Amino acid sequence: DVKVTQSSRYLVKRTGEKVFLECVQDMDHENMFWYRQDPGLGLRLIYFSYDVKMKEKGDIPEGYSVSREKKERFSLILESASTNQTSMYLCASSPRDSGRAGRTDTQYFGPGTRLTVL
Amino acid sequence: AQTVTQSQPEMSVQEAETVTLSCTYDTSESDYYLFWYKQPPSRQMILVIRQEAYKQQNATENRFSVNFQKAAKSFSLKISDSQLGDAAMYFCAYLRAGNMLTFGGGTRLMVKP
Repeated sequence: DVKVTQSSRYLVKRTGEKVFLECVQDMDHENMFWYRQDPGLGLRLIYFSYDVKMKEKGDIPEGYSVSREKKERFSLILESASTNQTSMYLCASSPRDSGRAGRTDTQYFGPGTRLTVL
Repeated sequence: AQTVTQSQPEMSVQEAETVTLSCTYDTSESDYYLFWYKQPPSRQMILVIRQEAYKQQNATENRFSVNFQKAAKSFSLKISDSQLGDAAMYFCAYLRAGNMLTFGGGTRLMVKP
């Protein structure tokens, strides 16, 4: 079974703090993703990475950065946390699509980190 | 831009009955994947079912099946013999070129004993 883990289930930070959210997957997947989930808005993609040291902006990258130094680990960084970044953050990983060059396949999700910024 | 719409914010079903959750999407692509994910309260999001757009046959996983209507851009999920453990938020999702997954707003399913 695919296992995606996130460093914390719950996190409370203060405005202006630098926040690191860590995600690790154990299936040697090439692709990793960060989403935030807010009531009524569903899931929105922040950033994704298709290889080590590679990253692409998603739909809402403002206020966030990411780091992927190792294949199994993908970090989301809030340089200066703000109250509007209070949310549930979900990490996911996926393999490449074996039948279609340049495409990905099913995404598998971690348990999520509920971040509160005071 | 691709969008995914789930028009039913909440649904309820009696235990052992059948329920269908609706999903429509907008795309100009011909080759893509569609998914249904389940997220129980305070628990991890898990994959329910996956459909490849180029396959005519509707995907099935045990009590879960889809009705995929490509021309109508519709992708509904049918849950048969509903169980209490099926209570959750269900999200429809579209995997677009560029490898970004777009989610619908979700449908909360309640199962009555």
